[in-house]
Amino acid sequence: NAGVTQTPKFRILKIGQSMTLQCTQDMNHNYMYWYRQDPGMGLKLIYYSVGAGITDKGEVPNGYNVSRSTTEDFPLRLELAAPSQTSVYFCASSSGWFGRAAAKGQPQHFGDGTRLSIL
Amino acid sequence: GQQVMQIPQYQHVQEGEDFTTYCNSSTTLSNIQWYKQRPGGHPVFLIQLVKSGEVKKQKRLTFQFGEAKKNSSLHITATQTTDVGTYFCAGDTGRRALTFGSGTRLQVQP
Repeated sequence: NAGVTQTPKFRILKIGQSMTLQCTQDMNHNYMYWYRQDPGMGLKLIYYSVGAGITDKGEVPNGYNVSRSTTEDFPLRLELAAPSQTSVYFCASSSGWFGRAAAKGQPQHFGDGTRLSIL
Repeated sequence: GQQVMQIPQYQHVQEGEDFTTYCNSSTTLSNIQWYKQRPGGHPVFLIQLVKSGEVKKQKRLTFQFGEAKKNSSLHITATQTTDVGTYFCAGDTGRRALTFGSGTRLQVQP
C-alpha cells in the first residue's frame, strides 16, 4: 500500500515553462488536495477535489490548474512558471463522501512533496 | 476572512522542558485536527478533536478543544529531541476544506 505518491520529487524550471506535478493515491479516497508550502511557512491550499470530475479553488489558485478524471489521480498543472511559484508542493487525500458531515473530519494523508524551483 | 491562527511561530526549548502551541479561530470550528511535520518531511496526522471541551492524550502529548470550539492547544510534557518539527492545527471553519494554521516550529536542544 503506497498511500499518496508524488512525482517528481525535485524539479527546476525556467521562467515561462510549464509542467505537471503528478499525484496518485491507492486508498480509494474521494477527497484530494494540493498545497504549497513556502520556506518556513504553513500550508496554503491551491485546489481540492471532493470526487472524480469535481474540483474547486482553494486560497491560492492563480497560475495553477487541476483535473480529476479518476479517483486515483489529481495532477496539478503550472502554466507559465514564475519565480513566485518556487515552493514545496504537497498532495494529500482523505476518505469520506462529500455532503456527509464527517467528510472533512477524516485525516489527510500527505505525499512526500515536490520541491520546485523556478529560475 | 475565516482564519486559523497559531502561536507561537517558533519555540526553542531545552530537552525535558514542556511546550505548548495554541490555535485560535475567528469562527466556531466543527472539528480540529493536529499534524506534525518533521524537518524535510510531510505533515502527518496526529489526532482529531470534535467535542466542546474535549481533552485527548497520546503519551506525552495532550490535546484540548476549547469550550466555545474556537481554540485548541497541544501540550508536550518533558520534550525530547524526537519532538522536533512543526506542529499544525487544521480546523473546519465551514468551508469545503479544512483551514490550516501557520504552524509552530519546535526546536529541542539536547
